[in-house]
Amino acid sequence: GQNIDQPTEMTATEGAIVQINCTYQTSGFNGLFWYQQHAGEAPTFLSYNVLDGLEEKGRFSSFLSRSKGYSYLLLKELQMKDSASYLCAVMDSNYQLIWGAGTKLIIKP
Amino acid sequence: GAVVSQHPSRVICKSGTSVKIECRSLDFQATTMFWYRQFPKQSLMLMATSNEGSKATYEQGVEKDKFLINHASLTLSTLTVTSAHPEDSSFYICSARGDGFGDTEAFFGQGTRLTVV
Repeated sequence: GQNIDQPTEMTATEGAIVQINCTYQTSGFNGLFWYQQHAGEAPTFLSYNVLDGLEEKGRFSSFLSRSKGYSYLLLKELQMKDSASYLCAVMDSNYQLIWGAGTKLIIKP
Repeated sequence: GAVVSQHPSRVICKSGTSVKIECRSLDFQATTMFWYRQFPKQSLMLMATSNEGSKATYEQGVEKDKFLINHASLTLSTLTVTSAHPEDSSFYICSARGDGFGDTEAFFGQGTRLTVV
């Protein structure tokens, strides 16, 4: 079966750095996405990785290792507005998105 | 990125009535649209995939007669929840994918909070 695993909840301090991990087992791979979702809102796109390595975009970076079926989202200089759920999703061989359950990130002052 | 508009953002309806949710791609042609349902504190659950001009493909366990999907044009898809029941109360989200963005990028609507009373 297809499976995406990520931690249910994480807590971090304002100004700090946090890494949210995602491991996956899917039938085929056409890229991995990270989305941010605030409560009651639709997800917003953060990053897309299809090749191994680190993609940096401002305070957010995303890493992928296809051989390990592993990705992480790194958030630096955390702000209170970063409190949200972070969803990892993998596009399988049929170009369908397989979604993780999301990681609720709580930022404390 | 491209813009996908979903309407209404919130709707309350009585049990037994039907509700239509619209999903429009405003500045691109959406060849494929996806409808998701999300329960509180849970991930997105794909309900169906629709391609313009053809019947939607429903995921296992999703009642096609209850959740009617129409994708009659390249800019509009609709989801109609028929004979709604309180257990249909949920957050429904559409996303659209189109030419010019490759096979990978999809853009989300704002979501619709449906409450059936």
